[in-house]
Amino acid sequence: DQQVKQNSPSLSVQEGRISILNCDYTNSMFDYFLWYKKYPAEGPTFLISISSIKDKNEDGRFTVFLNKSAKHLSLHIVPSQPGDSAVYFCAARVSGGSNYKLTFGKGTLLTVNP
Amino acid sequence: DAEITQSPRHKITETGRQVTLACHQTWNHNNMFWYRQDLGHGLRLIHYSYGVQDTNKGEVSDGYSVSRSNTEDLPLTLESAASSQTSVYFCASSETPYNEQFFGPGTRLTVL
Repeated sequence: DQQVKQNSPSLSVQEGRISILNCDYTNSMFDYFLWYKKYPAEGPTFLISISSIKDKNEDGRFTVFLNKSAKHLSLHIVPSQPGDSAVYFCAARVSGGSNYKLTFGKGTLLTVNP
Repeated sequence: DAEITQSPRHKITETGRQVTLACHQTWNHNNMFWYRQDLGHGLRLIHYSYGVQDTNKGEVSDGYSVSRSNTEDLPLTLESAASSQTSVYFCASSETPYNEQFFGPGTRLTVL
């Protein structure tokens, strides 16, 4: 059973517009969420994270929103740039205890067209 | 600069052979992880380690093993390679279990 779902395999937007990538989760114990970006032939790189005690976290052009009641988070990129074209992975974690492993979604391929 | 490296970057092997993928990090991180990435599955955790002599199974550990004899290295061994293990393998490390993980560049493994 997939606990972190990214239901859109791909997304295409125009340069300068907003990109919105979505992620849903089913495990209510998840309390920390991360977004990673991955270019072809490279490893994923950390982008931004959010704790469940917050509903928004912002870092430059990137903002992550968390809706705990809907078990949904989204990554907003404004304005989108061609260099943002990559696969974006959503990941979630349960903090505390002895298991801190991340559970990843399948990823969304973002294409930003010039 | 501190980094995490993987070798080889590409490997072709035959079914039944033993294969070891290397992962080396110079951040002195206690926590290290191995993932595989497959189309339609995203990143799935194979094994992880929270320190020297500590190893734990992830969600897809069958057919894989790891050992942690020092802080810097976590080699991943495929005991008897199978075609189902054709994948891209990523190693990652983190300073603490709570911190974000830093990923290596990946190893593309093909099992014929």
